[in-house]
Amino acid sequence: DTAVSQTPKYLVTQMGNDKSIKCEQNLGHDTMYWYKQDSKKFLKIMFSYNNKELIINETVPNRFSPKSPDKAHLNLHINSLELGDSAVYFCASSHPAPAYGYTFGSGTRLTVV
Amino acid sequence: GQQLNQSPQSMFIQEGEDVSMNCTSSSIFNTWLWYKQDPGEGPVLLIALYKAGELTSNGRLTAQFGITRKDSFLNISASIPSDVGIYFCHPSDSNSGYALNFGKGTSLLVTP
Repeated sequence: DTAVSQTPKYLVTQMGNDKSIKCEQNLGHDTMYWYKQDSKKFLKIMFSYNNKELIINETVPNRFSPKSPDKAHLNLHINSLELGDSAVYFCASSHPAPAYGYTFGSGTRLTVV
Repeated sequence: GQQLNQSPQSMFIQEGEDVSMNCTSSSIFNTWLWYKQDPGEGPVLLIALYKAGELTSNGRLTAQFGITRKDSFLNISASIPSDVGIYFCHPSDSNSGYALNFGKGTSLLVTP
């Protein structure tokens, strides 16, 4: 069983489209995150949810909207995709805080053309 | 704002050599974690440090939490080809639970 699973693994789409990435964790963790990894491999926090509530919302365009229907799921919806959104997006979870270590998904490589 | 520096940015070494990388911050933390990212995968936790001065080993890996609480290093002894990947430090404050950004990574290449 995959602990943190993201779908899809690859996503190629045109500028202006709307897309979603799904994430599910079966670890019973309270906190889930979205990270963006750019071409230079920098990992930047985008959002953090604790038990379905948003606790961190870094400076990301409001075209990005996270949704957490329950504490095991944190989806990322992106509107009006731009070329600069191309990156690898990682979902992660931790319990109860990042100090105890994250479990990451295997990533979603988004390419906007 | 807080600054986090990880060095070196990349290393190209021969199998069997020892490797050292470090992270320094302008802020004090009470936790330092080290992760490794294999190509095409998400980062995986290697070592967690929770006390200033703490020295922890995991096989050929050794990490230390600096006594100033502003830095940490990771050593890999007798490197092997499967050590190839990107290594990230991740400091945090367990009291606030705030998820800070990771270090910019050290890319390690090991030649047989």
